[in-house]
Amino acid sequence: DIQMTQSPSSVSASVGDRVTITCRASQDIRTWLVWYQQKPGKAPKVLISAASSLQGGVPSRFSGSGSGTDFSLTISSLQPEDFATYYCQQADRYPLTFGGGTKVEIK
Amino acid sequence: QVQLVQSGAEVKKPGTSVKVSCKTSGYTFTGHYLHWLRQAPGQGLEWMGWINSDSGATKYAQKFQGRVTMTRDTSITTAYMELKGLGSDDMALYYCARAQGTSAAGLDPWGQGTLVTVSS
Repeated sequence: DIQMTQSPSSVSASVGDRVTITCRASQDIRTWLVWYQQKPGKAPKVLISAASSLQGGVPSRFSGSGSGTDFSLTISSLQPEDFATYYCQQADRYPLTFGGGTKVEIK
Repeated sequence: QVQLVQSGAEVKKPGTSVKVSCKTSGYTFTGHYLHWLRQAPGQGLEWMGWINSDSGATKYAQKFQGRVTMTRDTSITTAYMELKGLGSDDMALYYCARAQGTSAAGLDPWGQGTLVTVSS
């Protein structure tokens, strides 16, 4: 199975801060990488697919980059509604696997 | 709008089975695969498998092979996930999620989740 490693596991930031989350795959997954946001008590929702394609309706302050084994999700200016847990997921091969999550908390 | 509505919480005894339903609406049911995932309390996400809503073909994670069965009823646009031989490590929130297209497009939307508690 492809292992997905996210870092950091948590980050404390203020409104307006730039936040970057990284995700590393244990093998080459090309750009088959999806980012999700999950708020407490809610199901995950897709933010970015194919490593860098913003999902419709997702604010442009979110961006994704990377290919191969190293990926990142950046929030350019953190807003109050962005405090949540973020997961990466590889879609290159089955079983689909997820990173352990990054909790973005209020500083 | 696209909606996935799951059945309610279940409490099961160890060794028994649970069957969770996922009622869909707002899109062509047979046009999208449905995936099942779970999330143990305070933990990350674990993929269990998918069902081709059109043909009924399935693919399961090796971990669940022999214990999970995914089915669907196209007449009522509903998918089901049955997990047998429940143990305490199966206590989790179980989700269905629609594949948007290719795998790289991700899973969206998700159902609200069904909490399965395993307790004697």
